[in-house]
Amino acid sequence: EDQVTQSPEALRLQEGESSSLNCSYTVSGLRGLFWYRQDPGKGPEFLFTLYSAGEEKEKERLKATLTKKESFLHITAPKPEDSATYLCAVQSIRGADGLTFGKGTHLIIQP
Amino acid sequence: DTEVTQTPKHLVMGMTNKKSLKCEQHMGHRAMYWYKQKAKKPPELMFVYSYEKLSINESVPSRFSPECPNSSLLNLHLHALQPEDSALYLCASSRGLAGVAYEQYFGPGTRLTVT
Repeated sequence: EDQVTQSPEALRLQEGESSSLNCSYTVSGLRGLFWYRQDPGKGPEFLFTLYSAGEEKEKERLKATLTKKESFLHITAPKPEDSATYLCAVQSIRGADGLTFGKGTHLIIQP
Repeated sequence: DTEVTQTPKHLVMGMTNKKSLKCEQHMGHRAMYWYKQKAKKPPELMFVYSYEKLSINESVPSRFSPECPNSSLLNLHLHALQPEDSALYLCASSRGLAGVAYEQYFGPGTRLTVT
């Protein structure tokens, strides 16, 4: 069974204080790992897809990296508008086209 | 345009009612999905349609009945629901080529309350 574990569950940072969110995964053959951002009461917003170990993607203050067992979402000099729940999801060979999500990291950026 | 639309935004229904949720995308995607998300939990996959055919049903109770009338539309028919079925129901779509992990784009969801 595919498993995705995210840590920490919650993280409170000061504006400008950089940090990283972790996503550990166990899958039967990884097809892709995805990062999403979700604001309260809204659908997840796609951020990144990573396919193989060593791959990196960047978008504004966010950078996602992938190893064979985990992925990191690095947030550099965050702003209050970066506050959200960040979800990690995997698509595996066993899971066909569906995504298996982790429980998410609830990020709060204080001004 | 990466928009997936869902209607209605909110729905309150009794346990004996029949209602439907609707989802639409115009990105030319060939795979569409239904997920269920309870409060403070991650989305859980319910159904996958690939090229308008049901390819995955994650052991969902029969009171949930999906339908894909064409490649742009996805419905979820609801009947005799239970209060524990109250949740945010999310629709998503992707390019959907078999064996390739394309990103899924989510709609805003329908907030369902069963009384």
